[in-house]
Amino acid sequence: EAGVTQFPSHSVIEKGQTVTLRCDPISGHDNLYWYRRVMGKEIKFLLHFVKESKQDESGMPNNRFLAERTGGTYSTLKVQPAELEDSGVYFCASSLVAIGSGNTIYFGEGSWLTVV
Amino acid sequence: QKEVEQDPGPLSVPEGAIVSLNCTYSNSAFQYFMWYRQYSRKGPELLMYTYSSGNKEDGRFTAQVDKSSKYISLFIRDSQPSDSATYLCAMIKAAGNKLTFGGGTRVLVKP
Repeated sequence: EAGVTQFPSHSVIEKGQTVTLRCDPISGHDNLYWYRRVMGKEIKFLLHFVKESKQDESGMPNNRFLAERTGGTYSTLKVQPAELEDSGVYFCASSLVAIGSGNTIYFGEGSWLTVV
Repeated sequence: QKEVEQDPGPLSVPEGAIVSLNCTYSNSAFQYFMWYRQYSRKGPELLMYTYSSGNKEDGRFTAQVDKSSKYISLFIRDSQPSDSATYLCAMIKAAGNKLTFGGGTRVLVKP
């Protein structure tokens, strides 16, 4: 069974450009999450989808970030325009059921973003 | 102040030693506690999940939770070089849907 896959694995873009990160969750997982880790900080929650609906987007830093999950399958996270402080690693994760009660959540390997 | 504090290390131990890791947290709303292992350039991988105060054992790994002190621990017995990684504690509030992570402790097990 394929795990959570993310693309691209690495991306270097200039300040002001746009980057779109893609996440393919484990097949059948309705719950999809985005997290990120910026330099020197801990991994932080960005948002949570249940199927195609945004369940919680309280962690999205500002309106330069847009996440979508059309059709409830894969998800994209677009950063437009990118700023230097957006550099970091963006993790996608998925789970069969919501992660309350300790249900297992599976992480992808991350998309490493460098804004120069 | 961070909600979850974790010493970044690095923690270097000889092969076969016990690795002792811990996190403290400030919010008593956290009810579920996890330990993740993350190898370089990989995503976090769940090692242990605990809910109640006390110990939970799984092979060479033991997780402890002390809710009264807001303190959680992970012990790795008979450590191996393959245990060299960053270990992250994470926790969830009751009915919550998002993990709150510590900053991670880098562990190096030397052969």
